[in-house]
Amino acid sequence: ELKVEQNPLFLSMQEGKNYTIYCNYSTTSDRLYWYRQDPGKSLESLFVLLSNGAVKQEGRLMASLDTKARLSTLHITAAVHDLSATYFCAVDMGGSQGNLIFGKGTKLSVKP
Amino acid sequence: DAGVIQSPRHEVTEMGQEVTLRCKPISGHNSLFWYRQTMMRGLELLIYFNNNVPIDDSGMPEDRFSAKMPNASFSTLKIQPSEPRDSAVYFCASRRPPGNTIYFGEGSWLTVV
Repeated sequence: ELKVEQNPLFLSMQEGKNYTIYCNYSTTSDRLYWYRQDPGKSLESLFVLLSNGAVKQEGRLMASLDTKARLSTLHITAAVHDLSATYFCAVDMGGSQGNLIFGKGTKLSVKP
Repeated sequence: DAGVIQSPRHEVTEMGQEVTLRCKPISGHNSLFWYRQTMMRGLELLIYFNNNVPIDDSGMPEDRFSAKMPNASFSTLKIQPSEPRDSAVYFCASRRPPGNTIYFGEGSWLTVV
C-alpha cells in the first residue's frame, strides 16, 4: 500500500523566514503534485513534478522531486501572511488510469 | 473551462435519509474522482472512473455508498441510508491522464444529524 507522509503537519512561521515542507512516499513514482487549500475552500493545484530532479518555482514557493529518495520538498522563502494555508503533496499511482494518493497536509500559519 | 461543478454545495440531512451528490467534470477530462475529506482521516479517495468505467472503488466505505457515471459529463455519489459519521466534505475532481494534475470542484459539505 502506498504511503505518503508529510512533515511537519503543523508549521508556525514568522514572516520573512524560510522553511521546508517534506513529502516522503513509499513506492516508486515519478509524478508528484503539490496543492494548496485555504480554510473552507477547495484544493488548488500549485506544482506538477513529472520527473526526477524536477524543480518548479512560483513566487516564494519552490518544489522539487527526488524520485530515487522518494522525496519531494516545498521550500518557502521569506514567508508572508498570504501563504497561510494547508499544503498537500500527492503521489501519482502511475499509468493511464492512475489516481493520486494524498499526504495528510501541512497546515502553515505565517505570523507577523 | 467552467471547472468541476458540484451540487449541492451544502446539505444538512437527518440520519437515515438518502443523500445524492452530483458532479460535472471539466469537458474533455476522461478521469473522474470522488474524495472525502474529514479532520480525522484527511483526504480519502472513494472511487474513480476512467472513461465512465469505475476503476477502483476500494475506498468506498461500505454498501451504503454507491457511485455512478452514466456519461462523460455527469456522476453521482449516493449515500443510503446516511449516518452522522458520513458528515464530511465530498470533493469531485477530474483530469486528463496521464501525468496531468487533478482539478477539484468546490466540494459538497454534508452534515448528517
